[in-house]
Amino acid sequence: GAGVSQSPSNKVTEKGKDVELRCDPISGHTALYWYRQSLGQGLEFLIYFQGNSAPDKSGLPSDRFSAERTGGSVSTLTIQRTQQEDSAVYLCASSFGQGAQDTEAFFGQGTRLTVV
Amino acid sequence: GNSVTQMEGPVTLSEEAFLTINCTYTATGYPSLFWYVQYPGEGLQLLLKATKADDKGSNKGFEATYRKETTSFHLEKGSVQVSDSAVYFCALIYTGGFKTIFGAGTRLFVKA
Repeated sequence: GAGVSQSPSNKVTEKGKDVELRCDPISGHTALYWYRQSLGQGLEFLIYFQGNSAPDKSGLPSDRFSAERTGGSVSTLTIQRTQQEDSAVYLCASSFGQGAQDTEAFFGQGTRLTVV
Repeated sequence: GNSVTQMEGPVTLSEEAFLTINCTYTATGYPSLFWYVQYPGEGLQLLLKATKADDKGSNKGFEATYRKETTSFHLEKGSVQVSDSAVYFCALIYTGGFKTIFGAGTRLFVKA
């Protein structure tokens, strides 16, 4: 597609439910990132995928959070047993990654998650 | 480790004022440096970048110079407009790495 696409754009869920957030990166981009942006806060790194390498999961806040990237393209971020503190905007970005240190990251519009 | 530190906001300026948003970094080697901007209700987008020491990135009247000696990449604009109100993020990709590391962001309000 023309840009990074995220779905849904908004998600309201009850505390304790599981949610899945989807990211469709720009075609040909080997790197994919998930970030979280809480109200009035900066970007919190969650996880990074680069090609076929093992993902960098160092930013995942707890074992309730997981992500996968199928076929080197679409990624799904899953939050199990959601808590109110999980409420935030979840941003996905992609870039050409490997071999291009100066490459910029292209961001999706984000998924606004509200846990009630 | 590799990190980015930027000045805390919010920064509030009157239209046509001079803007500086400070950014310093910690990284080995020669990282590439970026400024991203997030306008209200929109996604992040690249504003400018510099890939080596003494390079100056510029776009939309904004400038930032890659200063290796002070490990800084301060964002400047000579005359801000109301439409510049946004959150600005400084970022880097470190040598040999491919992950973009972001600062905490600085919110700018410009009053008419």
